Parts: sequence; structure tokens; C-alpha cells
Amino acid sequence: SQQGEEDPQALSIQEGENATMNCSYKTSINNLQWYRQNSGRGLVHLILIRSNEREKHSGRLRVTLDTSKKSSSLLITASRAADTASYFCATHRTGNQFYFGTGTSLTVIP
Amino acid sequence: DTEVTQTPKHLVMGMTNKKSLKCEQHMGHRAMYWYKQKAKKPPELMFVYSYEKLSINESVPSRFSPECPNSSLLNLHLHALQPEDSALYLCASSQVTSGTYEQYFGPGTRLTVT
Repeated sequence: SQQGEEDPQALSIQEGENATMNCSYKTSINNLQWYRQNSGRGLVHLILIRSNEREKHSGRLRVTLDTSKKSSSLLITASRAADTASYFCATHRTGNQFYFGTGTSLTVIP
Repeated sequence: DTEVTQTPKHLVMGMTNKKSLKCEQHMGHRAMYWYKQKAKKPPELMFVYSYEKLSINESVPSRFSPECPNSSLLNLHLHALQPEDSALYLCASSQVTSGTYEQYFGPGTRLTVT
């Protein structure tokens, strides 16, 4: 399988706390992207990190990438109830091939 | 306009039916994708079209037949499906040469095969 693995599978935190989710993958990549999916709906792109980058920030999001370990992490700071969703990493290889990780289900309790 | 639209939103079909899913985007993207997503699982890549030509087929059964009539439209023709094909079918589009390949997803078609 080309899929990456994410952990934890599920995460429940209080509003205002930080949430960290991790992604591991198997092959070389051009970039790694994180997406959010609200229940049963389409995915929304959050942030992209290129293979030659180590860290990237966007608002309350911080992504790191370690290509030597084939892993990435997504940190959401000061979480809100509206952040409740499933989060997926997606690795981009050549030729428009994208493979999604297994996902983390985040619940933020108000 | 950064929207990808998909029709229908829901589809129930028997195993002998023929139906089609439709996807449309007007962002000028030249790559379009079909994904299949089962409940509580990640999206699985099925097909990729690049410049209206099929570039990736992830060993999808022939009962799924994609078509890209022009740069804005993507269809998925369904025939003789099995109950295990019930899933959320997601369409996405992206640039081909921008170097970022951020995908824009439609809301999906919820397919039930009876």
C-alpha cells in the first residue's frame, strides 16, 4: 500500500489546548500536504511543505517535515470547537500522484 | 471561483444499473482526480487526468470508467457495480505545473449500491 500512517487515530482535547498529529510515509516525495475533512464532506487543503523545507507556519498551524525519518507533524495551537474534524496528510510524488495517510480524528471539547 | 462541483450528491443504484457521476471546475486546472473513500478511511486514488488524458489508473476494476470530455469536466461512468463499491466518491482538481499541486475537492457523491 502507498498509504502513510498517522497517529494518533483519534485525539480529544479541551478548547484552547494544542493538538499534535503525526504522519509517517514510505517513499520519496516532492511535497507533503495536510487536509481537513468535516464529517462526510470534501477535503480542504490546509498547508503544504516542500521536501527541502523543514518547518512551515500558517496562522495557528505549524508543520514540520523530516525527510530522513519520512515523517511530518501538524500542530494546531489554541484549538477551537470548529477545528473538530478528520485530518489527513497527503504525500505528493511525481506525475500528480497523491497518497493519503490513515487520518487523525480530532475532537475539540468546548 | 475556487469551487469544484459534483452531481449528484446522493445516488442509489442496483447492481445492473448504469449511472454516471459528474464533476466540474472552472479554475483552469489541467489535472483532475477521482478518489473513493469508505467510512472512517482515507481517500484512495482511482484515476488522474492530466491535460484531458488519463495519466494514472490505480488498477481500478473496469466497472468504473472515467471520461474527461474537456478541461473543465470529469465523469465517472458506473456499470454492474457491487455492494462493496458503496462509498463517497470525491473529485478533485489541481494545477499541473505550478509546483504546488494543491488539490481542490468537491463535496463528493455518496453512492449506495443495492
